[in-house]
Amino acid sequence: QVQLVQSGAEVKKPGSSVKVSCTASGGTLNNYTITWVRQAPGQGLEWMGMIIPIFDTRNYARKFQGRVTITTDESTSTVFMELIGLTSEDTAVYFCAREVRRWLHGWFHPWGQGTLVTVSS
Amino acid sequence: DIVLTQSPGTLSLSPGERATLSCRASQSVSSNYLAWYQQKPGQAPRLLIYDASSRATGIPDRFSGSGSGTDFTLTISRLEPEDFAVYYCQQYGNSPTFGQGTKVDIK
Repeated sequence: QVQLVQSGAEVKKPGSSVKVSCTASGGTLNNYTITWVRQAPGQGLEWMGMIIPIFDTRNYARKFQGRVTITTDESTSTVFMELIGLTSEDTAVYFCAREVRRWLHGWFHPWGQGTLVTVSS
Repeated sequence: DIVLTQSPGTLSLSPGERATLSCRASQSVSSNYLAWYQQKPGQAPRLLIYDASSRATGIPDRFSGSGSGTDFTLTISRLEPEDFAVYYCQQYGNSPTFGQGTKVDIK
């Protein structure tokens, strides 16, 4: 089964942006839907958005509209999540996962290992 | 957005005991599109249950899901030492949302 491998930890200044990658290892993205979820320290899970690369279709959570962009490079089977206008509240572990859709959305499996993004001056 | 409320916040039990976790939705979840995940410290969540009651591949049969509409339950029939973790529910009938989690710890 395809594994999702994410880029390494990042430390960013407030006001800057971060771009996290998620690469399908051992296969291709094919017709996968890739979703992004974040988890602030000691907190729960928060869905950010998803992309269906084969249709170049994206859907973002209302909270992140205008601040998040999800893109894909099918030649390298990689999905990117860029978040701009970082504040300390964006300090979190960011996960990618395959979204197994029933209709518009679905459950998440498998997951990447997570990428810690720390926002600090 | 659909708000999912999990209870209790923490469940203190001993190995071998039965665990019953609740997930209540602020409105009916379309087609019972609800999943359950297990998360251990420093790890990514692991899918246990999808479509409210279907067990994911490789998940032991001591884990079961039930419920419909606005009320869902995850049951662990006999707790094994590796089951002590945080559990989240997630709905995907609408824009995905998660519950705040239930921690199952050792009594």
